[in-house]
Amino acid sequence: AQSVTQLGSHVSVSEGALVLLRCNYSSSVPPYLFWYVQYPNQGLQLLLKYTSAATLVKGINDFEAEFKKSETSFHLTKPSAHMSDAAEYFCAVSEGSGNTGKLIFGQGTTLQVKP
Amino acid sequence: EPEVTQTPSHQVTQMGQEVILRCVPISNHLYFYWYRQILGQKVEFLVSFYNNEISEKSEIFDDQFSVERPDGSNFTLKIRSTKLEDSAMYFCASSEFLSSASQYYEQFFGPGTRLTVL
Repeated sequence: AQSVTQLGSHVSVSEGALVLLRCNYSSSVPPYLFWYVQYPNQGLQLLLKYTSAATLVKGINDFEAEFKKSETSFHLTKPSAHMSDAAEYFCAVSEGSGNTGKLIFGQGTTLQVKP
Repeated sequence: EPEVTQTPSHQVTQMGQEVILRCVPISNHLYFYWYRQILGQKVEFLVSFYNNEISEKSEIFDDQFSVERPDGSNFTLKIRSTKLEDSAMYFCASSEFLSSASQYYEQFFGPGTRLTVL
């Protein structure tokens, strides 16, 4: 069965500092992996996705993530945090084959950016 | 740009009442999904729907829940007798096709309906 674990329910960084949000997954088949962002009282916005092409994936707003099969990880990074990055971030996994398309989400990580 | 829409944005209901949450998926999409997010918690899969049938449902999706595509454009989620614990944000999503090992099809999410059960 698929699962997603996000390490750290709350991450706090200073403006301009590196952002690192951790995600580990388990999947019995090669997965598709995603990071979504949710701003307060809003819906889900896709930040980036891994779909078995390049292992380093670039997304919107200078976010990127690296798929590491050996570590079953898909950590999200951004070189320099902005105040506007403060939001809830969800990692999600979907099976690449033999599936009904459902996404399995992690528990979420709240990113706080301090001035 | 095509988008998934959901109505209403906020629904307040009394415990025991029936509610219907409506979604209009992107017009050429064939696969439809409902997810929910209880306040402060993760997003959880409820059900997937294709060709007028449920493809998969989670343990949450019990007999109180049903889905329907009544007219070829709307996709609805009905909760027959709401409970306090049904209070959540409900997201609809759709995709053009089902992803395979060699081809990915993005799932597009609607803005959500916040359901409050009193």
